[in-house]
Amino acid sequence: NAGVTQTPKFRILKIGQSMTLQCTQDMNHNYMYWYRQDPGMGLKLIYYSVGAGITDKGEVPNGYNVSRSTTEDFPLRLELAAPSQTSVYFCASSYVQGAKYEQYFGPGTRLTVT
Amino acid sequence: GESVGLHLPTLSVQEGDNSIINCAYSNSASDYFIWYKQESGKGPQFIIDIRSNMDKRQGQRVTVLLNKTVKHLSLQIAATQPGDSAVYFCAEYRGSQGNLIFGKGTKLSVKP
Repeated sequence: NAGVTQTPKFRILKIGQSMTLQCTQDMNHNYMYWYRQDPGMGLKLIYYSVGAGITDKGEVPNGYNVSRSTTEDFPLRLELAAPSQTSVYFCASSYVQGAKYEQYFGPGTRLTVT
Repeated sequence: GESVGLHLPTLSVQEGDNSIINCAYSNSASDYFIWYKQESGKGPQFIIDIRSNMDKRQGQRVTVLLNKTVKHLSLQIAATQPGDSAVYFCAEYRGSQGNLIFGKGTKLSVKP
């Protein structure tokens, strides 16, 4: 199994541009998550999904959108990039929501908005 | 504000010594905690977890202790190795919010 994969690894955006961060998992996990990690900080939850067709907001959803059309994929969309969205983005998946079982993380996407 | 926090942002230990990383939490209703290890440029990796009905759990070279009275948990790493150098996060599960809340992390550096 490849686990959780994310693309791209790095990206530089100009203010106002849009992009989609891709996330795919091959472990047949129902639950998937998007986090952002600012320098020297912990992870903050942006959005999560408990299954295909179901998504919900996390702690910091503003400026982002998600969709979950399949079990495997959970893309994160930035519509109007802002410098405050400069961060490292991690996708994760798990068998059961939250912490009853561990979350498996992808390698991250480092995004810079200038 | 931050409700899952760490007492020390950095910790430097000698190779072979034991390491202790601390974490405080504020929500007494939290019923599950996880320690993650994050190496530079990588995503967090699960180390060990503990439920609130336990006060100690052991893994391979790692032990997590939970003190519910003072809302504190710690991660102990025995015989610390250079490969243990990383940032360590504790995460708290709050059933009402349905997700993990991460602390800021402690950077562990192992001196040869």
